Amino acid sequence: EAQVTQNPRYLITVTGKKLTVTCSQNMNHEYMSWYRQDPGLGLRQIYYSMNVEVTDKGDVPEGYKVSRKEKRNFPLILESPSPNQTSLYFCASSREGLADEQYFGPGTRLTVT
Amino acid sequence: DAKTTQPNSMESNEEEPVHLPCNHSTISGTDYIHWYRQLPSQGPEYVIHGLTSNVNNRMASLAIAEDRKSSTLILHRATLRDAAVYYCILRDGVGTDSWGKLQFGAGTQVVVTP
Repeated sequence: EAQVTQNPRYLITVTGKKLTVTCSQNMNHEYMSWYRQDPGLGLRQIYYSMNVEVTDKGDVPEGYKVSRKEKRNFPLILESPSPNQTSLYFCASSREGLADEQYFGPGTRLTVT
Repeated sequence: DAKTTQPNSMESNEEEPVHLPCNHSTISGTDYIHWYRQLPSQGPEYVIHGLTSNVNNRMASLAIAEDRKSSTLILHRATLRDAAVYYCILRDGVGTDSWGKLQFGAGTQVVVTP
């Protein structure tokens, strides 16, 4: 089954403790992206990657890092999480080309205390 | 970046059509019009997209104005499962530095009444 998976689905952590949210897709997609969703602010793009070793900032990249060493994986790294990074995070992927639909993962709900 | 404007919410009765408008008066000639929807507690889901011509698929139809400054997503027969937030998004079709960006607006909350 074609899908985007994220792990963990739920995470409660403390300020400053480094964490990684993994994202994996099994569709051989070139493009991957991370979003965060907050009440009243909607979905905002954090980082995206057009291909392996190619990443770029979205609208809200501060406090996040990403890497794209393999085509199927695009982990989101929070080096020193803060409470304002408490949010619902979605990973997405699509084939090369802007006319292509994006497939979204099920989401990771992160709480930073 | 070109922006879109959508109504905050729309209501429909089950089995009736729903017409969701989207204004994008600053759209460029290379912008694709995409629609996604987000059901409660789920990630966004692709619905349809188009450039200039009207488009149909199993989920919906997309009617694009001749001047491309507006478009309408049509759900032909609303079901309770169609209750979701619907997002109209523009994606630049030209390879520029920002072509990977995807900006979601507030969307339209669709309420379907039995």
